[in-house]
Order: sequence, then structure tokens, then C-alpha cells
Amino acid sequence: GAVVSQHPSRVICKSGTSVKIECRSLDFQATTMFWYRQFPKQSLMLMATSNEGSKATYEQGVEKDKFLINHASLTLSTLTVTSAHPEDSSFYICSARVGNIQYFGAGTRLSVL
Amino acid sequence: AQSVAQPEDQVNVAEGNPLTVKCTYSVSGNPYLFWYVQYPNRGLQFLLKYITGDNLVKGSYGFEAEFNKSQTSFHLKKPSALVSDSALYFCAVRGDTGFQKLVFGTGTRLLVSP
Repeated sequence: GAVVSQHPSRVICKSGTSVKIECRSLDFQATTMFWYRQFPKQSLMLMATSNEGSKATYEQGVEKDKFLINHASLTLSTLTVTSAHPEDSSFYICSARVGNIQYFGAGTRLSVL
Repeated sequence: AQSVAQPEDQVNVAEGNPLTVKCTYSVSGNPYLFWYVQYPNRGLQFLLKYITGDNLVKGSYGFEAEFNKSQTSFHLKKPSALVSDSALYFCAVRGDTGFQKLVFGTGTRLLVSP
């Protein structure tokens, strides 16, 4: 299957700082990528759909100014958590679709102190 | 609106026994159905999909799933469970019309005991 690489796998930061998470499609081009958030023992919540060369589409209730998404190339989408606070601590997972199948990155565990 | 129900939070099975993880769905149009597995602190790994064709779909690691349109179900099965199958399993669905989002169930934790 297709490979989606996500970096970093784990990040710890201080409250008020910004954190950038990268998502790359390694062996295919992805015009659309997806960003999810997963709380402990819960399902995945779609945060936004990232579109190459245009603005991301955010789900209802997701703050677009806090969670900045950039999809500048066909193989890279980034999620920046701005002015992070402890309540932003979570597991963030990116995904890209190839044909009918969505493939997922390994996830990023964000801990905000 | 699309939705997926996984009625069991956890399924316990002894190694070597058959396993079933249940999933029912609701979707507009024809369903595209998926099963994913998640190991601790990892992303989701694709197991299998149903798009069209045979109702019994075979996937990775010996897993299979049966699509039942009348019962709107897509249960995951394996004839003989392994301890290494212990993980969190997600069922997901999206419709076949327009650009529809993939909707996930709440997940079922499978615990296979030696």
C-alpha cells in the first residue's frame, strides 16, 4: 500500500509555543490530505481537509487560526498548532487517499506542558 | 448523515479460536466500507475494503469481512485468532456520491489471550 510519513512522532512543548507537524506522501502525489485528532480511547475526529494549492476546509468547531494547515506541494501538508495550550495535547494523525483507500501516517503525540 | 456503530468496546477471544468484530453502518448512496487496525501510539493500518462485488472480502493478516446489505453490516472475522492480533479495530464508511468524508466507528479493542 501507499506510504504516508508523519513527523515528528512525539513532541513536548511549553504552553504558548507553536508546533509544526509534517505529513508526506512518499510514493504518490496527494492533492488532498486529511488531519485527524484522536483523544484517548476514542475514535478519530476529522479536523480539516487539506487541499494542495488552496485553503484547507475545516470541520465545524475547529479553530482555523489555531490549527494552521498548509498544503504547498503534492507530497507535503503541514499542521501548525499555534500558541499551544495543555488542552491541545492529543494524538494527531494525517491521512491521504489513493483511489478509494485512505492511508494514515503513524501519528504525532503532542504534549503541551 | 453517515454513521458507523461498533457495539462492542472490547472483544475477548482465546488464541486459535475464531473472532468476530461487529460493525453496522448508515450512509447515503452505496457504501464504501473499510476496516483499519491501530496498535498503541501508531496510526491506522488498512486491513480491507468493500467497494463492490463479492460480499465476502479478504484482507491482510488472514482477516476477512462480510458485507450484508439487508442488515447494513460489515463484520470483521478471522478463523483463528493470534495473540498478535490484539489491537484496536476501527470500521469506517463513506458514501459513493460526491466527495464524502470517511466516518469512523468508536473502535473495538480486541484482546486475544494465549
